[in-house]
Amino acid sequence: AQKVTQAQTEISVVEKEDVTLDCVYETRDTTYYLFWYKQPPSGELVFLIRRNSFDEQNEISGRYSWNFQKSTSSFNFTITASQVVDSAVYFCALSGKAAGNKLTFGGGTRVLVKP
Amino acid sequence: DVKVTQSSRYLVKRTGEKVFLECVQDMDHENMFWYRQDPGLGLRLIYFSYDVKMKEKGDIPEGYSVSREKKERFSLILESASTNQTSMYLCASSLSGSMGYQPQHFGDGTRLSIL
Repeated sequence: AQKVTQAQTEISVVEKEDVTLDCVYETRDTTYYLFWYKQPPSGELVFLIRRNSFDEQNEISGRYSWNFQKSTSSFNFTITASQVVDSAVYFCALSGKAAGNKLTFGGGTRVLVKP
Repeated sequence: DVKVTQSSRYLVKRTGEKVFLECVQDMDHENMFWYRQDPGLGLRLIYFSYDVKMKEKGDIPEGYSVSREKKERFSLILESASTNQTSMYLCASSLSGSMGYQPQHFGDGTRLSIL
């Protein structure tokens, strides 16, 4: 019904480098929502952003930015000028009517930022 | 801030035991969820509840049951624990309305080992 793929399992960067996390999704819904969550070492997932399928505007929040491209079914996430505190596992997720509005998560990308 | 509290961070149990994982949220949320997290697989939904005494199966309910006697508390039960249930378990809650739209708020997780 729906699927989310995060092809990068782990990315390692040096502080101040930019890092882009890829997210590709599959759904047969025309209306759906995409999410990004951050899971720091403490374990608690933290909500970062929600985007609906009709809003293709890119979004920037501080050092974070998101690029939603419906044509390629992608919702990529960029951290600019990375910091050690950005080290975490990042999950992309999708919800839509075809899956009963339940969240489908990607496998996650572990980001390690070295000082 | 929403607080979702899971009763244990780490738990070790034996094969065949009945195991209870407890989750409490303090924001009067209607929806509550139980996920398990395994490396490379992301989060997979076990059960969810949209109201007291209501429960719905998620994607991987086999071997689990749940209980929601009070709005703030959602319990996950492993009827007869097996080694393949060794995993990180995450509880989440969200406001009512479209389940697919509302961001979910997560607890810190319970790392369960079945020996």
